[in-house]
Amino acid sequence: DIQMTQSPSTLSASVGDRVTITCRASQSISTWLAWYQQKPGKAPKLLISKASSLESGVPSRFSGGGSGTEFTLTISSLQPDDFATYYCQRYNTYPYSFGQGTNLEIK
Amino acid sequence: QVQMVESGGGVVQPGRSLRLSCAASAFTLSDYSMHWVRQAPGKGLEWLAVLSYDGSHTYYADSVKGRFTTSTDTSKNTLYLQMNSLRAEDTAVYYCAREPVIPGATCDYWGQGTLVTVSS
Repeated sequence: DIQMTQSPSTLSASVGDRVTITCRASQSISTWLAWYQQKPGKAPKLLISKASSLESGVPSRFSGGGSGTEFTLTISSLQPDDFATYYCQRYNTYPYSFGQGTNLEIK
Repeated sequence: QVQMVESGGGVVQPGRSLRLSCAASAFTLSDYSMHWVRQAPGKGLEWLAVLSYDGSHTYYADSVKGRFTTSTDTSKNTLYLQMNSLRAEDTAVYYCAREPVIPGATCDYWGQGTLVTVSS
């Protein structure tokens, strides 16, 4: 099965910072990559699909990129509401799989 | 608005069974592939299973294959996860999620989750 590895596991940043989270696949998944945001006690929220397609209603400060085996999620200017855990997920074939998550915390 | 409400979680002894439900509203289950994902306490997300939109295909993670079964009742617009031979490591919040049958789409709406605790 294809493994997904996110880095970093924890990221400390301040409001207004630009941050990037990386997700690597153990083999090529083309652009079958999604990013989710999860807050404590809540279900994951889909931010980006197809590696770079922003879901409706998601602020434009979020962007995704990459293809093949390396992908990024960038938040251009952190807002207080953005402090959460972020997961990448591949969905090219079953079984789908998630990265281990990146906890974005306030510095 | 689109909503999925999971129920059926609780405390169960190892080796016993439990059935989770995911009741959908404002959309028809048979128009979507439906997934189950779980999250152990303090851990990340683990994909478990999928039921194709037409009910013709299922796929399971190795961790639950042979023990868990997903199905739907179209008359109730409800998705189920039958969990047998439960183990302590099955303790988690269980989410259902829908996936539009559109190229490039993935799970766009999730339920709020239901907690399953496997303990003697």
